[in-house]
Amino acid sequence: GAGVSQSPSNKVTEKGKDVELRCDPISGHTALYWYRQRLGQGLEFLIYFQGNSAPDKSGLPSDRFSAERTGESVSTLTIQRTQQEDSAVYLCASSSLPLGLSRDTQYFGPGTRLTVL
Amino acid sequence: GENVEQHPSTLSVQEGDSAVIKCTYSDSASNYFPWYKQELGKGPQLIIDIRSNVGEKKDQRIAVTLNKTAKHFSLHITETQPEDSAVYFCAAGKLIFGQGTELSVKP
Repeated sequence: GAGVSQSPSNKVTEKGKDVELRCDPISGHTALYWYRQRLGQGLEFLIYFQGNSAPDKSGLPSDRFSAERTGESVSTLTIQRTQQEDSAVYLCASSSLPLGLSRDTQYFGPGTRLTVL
Repeated sequence: GENVEQHPSTLSVQEGDSAVIKCTYSDSASNYFPWYKQELGKGPQLIIDIRSNVGEKKDQRIAVTLNKTAKHFSLHITETQPEDSAVYFCAAGKLIFGQGTELSVKP
């Protein structure tokens, strides 16, 4: 079946511009996660959605970052007034069970590579 | 906050040798420890996981061991093959990841 998809695959933008990154989770998956992966680094948790609500926004690095999810499906991560340090791969993952239930697997998308010039 | 330390950051082995990657975690309440493989240009893919009620789990050439007392867990890959070359990440729970190990298997 279809996995997690993300678009665009690559995004180059100028410093100060806003960008929107999109994630389409696996159909029926209620939990959705966003991560940031800087070059050569591990995954940095950004935000978690259960359904359309975000009980954990603790990882968002600044108020320039926001995310929403509609219809318990598609999610968008928005970065306003992009800075060069925002350059990274942004990964989305989904899972069928809520965060607190560990007997569950996260499925990752291929990521969006964001480059801020 | 919770932290996961992963070592080594790079690992080079000859084809057929074994590879071991180790992680330590800080939160004693953690009870789920997945390992992911990330190939170039792709998202991480779960390869094996272990829960805190077992000490070892094996799946063909891959095994994971967990020592809850010492708060560390390890990935073991035996009979390595060139296609095992990738970046491997450990995690404690779903949100906290190690920094990754770049494994290179030389033919």
